[in-house]
Parts: sequence; C-alpha cells; structure tokens
Amino acid sequence: SQQGEEDPQALSIQEGENATMNCSYKTSINNLQWYRQNSGRGLVHLILIRSNEREKHSGRLRVTLDTSKKSSSLLITASRAADTASYFCATDAGRYTGANSKLTFGKGITLSVRP
Amino acid sequence: DTEVTQTPKHLVMGMTNKKSLKCEQHMGHRAMYWYKQKAKKPPELMFVYSYEKLSINESVPSRFSPECPNSSLLNLHLHALQPEDSALYLCASSQDLFGIRRDNSPLHFGNGTRLTVT
Repeated sequence: SQQGEEDPQALSIQEGENATMNCSYKTSINNLQWYRQNSGRGLVHLILIRSNEREKHSGRLRVTLDTSKKSSSLLITASRAADTASYFCATDAGRYTGANSKLTFGKGITLSVRP
Repeated sequence: DTEVTQTPKHLVMGMTNKKSLKCEQHMGHRAMYWYKQKAKKPPELMFVYSYEKLSINESVPSRFSPECPNSSLLNLHLHALQPEDSALYLCASSQDLFGIRRDNSPLHFGNGTRLTVT
C-alpha cells in the first residue's frame, strides 16, 4: 500500500497563483521529502523536512509537517508555467534502519500552470 | 541536467533478448538504487546497493539482475522479460544509506531508460 497519498491528484492553476498540495501518510516517519518530475524525466529533489520540524522554506517553496495528523503540505508561491510537473511526497518509514533505504513515494499530483 | 547518467535513453527488446541498462554517477555517492515507474504511477523500489553490496531486493523477479561493478556504476541486466515489464527504469544515488546523523540525504535521479518489451 502507498505510504504517501497526495491530494488533489490533479491541480490546474493560472500563472502567478499559489499551488497547495497535500500528502498524508500512515506510519511514523523520520523525514518527509518532496520531489518534482517533469514529463518523461527523472525526479528532482525539492525539499526535505525532518520529523521534528514543522515548517521549512526554500525559495518559492514552503513545506509544513504535522506529525500528529500524519500530513504534509507543499506550497508553491507565485507559480510559473515551468512549475508544470508531477509532484511526489516520499517517506522513509520501513523496517530498515538506513534512513534512505526504503523511500516510498506517494501517488503524485499533476500540476498544470496555465500561462 | 542530472548528474546521474543512464543509458540507453530508450530500449526496445523482445522477450528472448538479453540487454543491460547502465547508470553512472561521479558524485562520490555510496548508495545506488533502481526504481521502476509505470505510466502515471509513482516509482517503485527494486534494488538498493550500499558500498557496492546489494542491500535490498524488493522481491524482484530473477529476470532482473542488478550489478554494481564499482562505486560509480550500476547495471541492470535484463533477460526473458515480459511485456508487462515495459516501464521507465530510473537509477538514483544518494550520499549513503544513513546520511549524517541518520538523516536522509536526497536521492539524485537519472532521466531513466524507457523500456518497451515486445
């Protein structure tokens, strides 16, 4: 079963608007990461938030983490057409002690930013 | 452009063929991964290598055989594949499995090999 579950599954917005994507997960985590994937390409790491952090910023990205609700949100401010991509949350929950060893990706959100 | 290089970009093979996918990174990363991704689905972990040793095999069928000749290279040998194995195969690397203070170090992905099995 998917550890991470994003919603909405698809999001279409106008350039300049903000995009908010949510991720829920089921088990305890060490960290949560967000990745972006352009069509037909590999995934690109965007941001990592540790389980003891509540909010983190990186440029136009803001990530929040609520471990009590087992959820995270990714906010992209002032969106651009180039932000059009699929976005995945990823968690490392699993039976292995290596933090990276079993990164599980959510189903993904398709973001379309209209020029 | 990605620092993880995968070749070939596209591969079409018959069910009786033997082929190999190659992955290379020169970032000094000691953990390398193979993921499989079907259309409109998330990547699924197949194998993890740590310091050139196989650390995780996610119950992948034996028609997929990974190999890590050295710390920079990762291969995936394919034999007797099925049409349902058609997918995007992604290689990734990270600093190591444990990172600093047991934190994650991010995964760096290649752009993948688009495999079609006919």
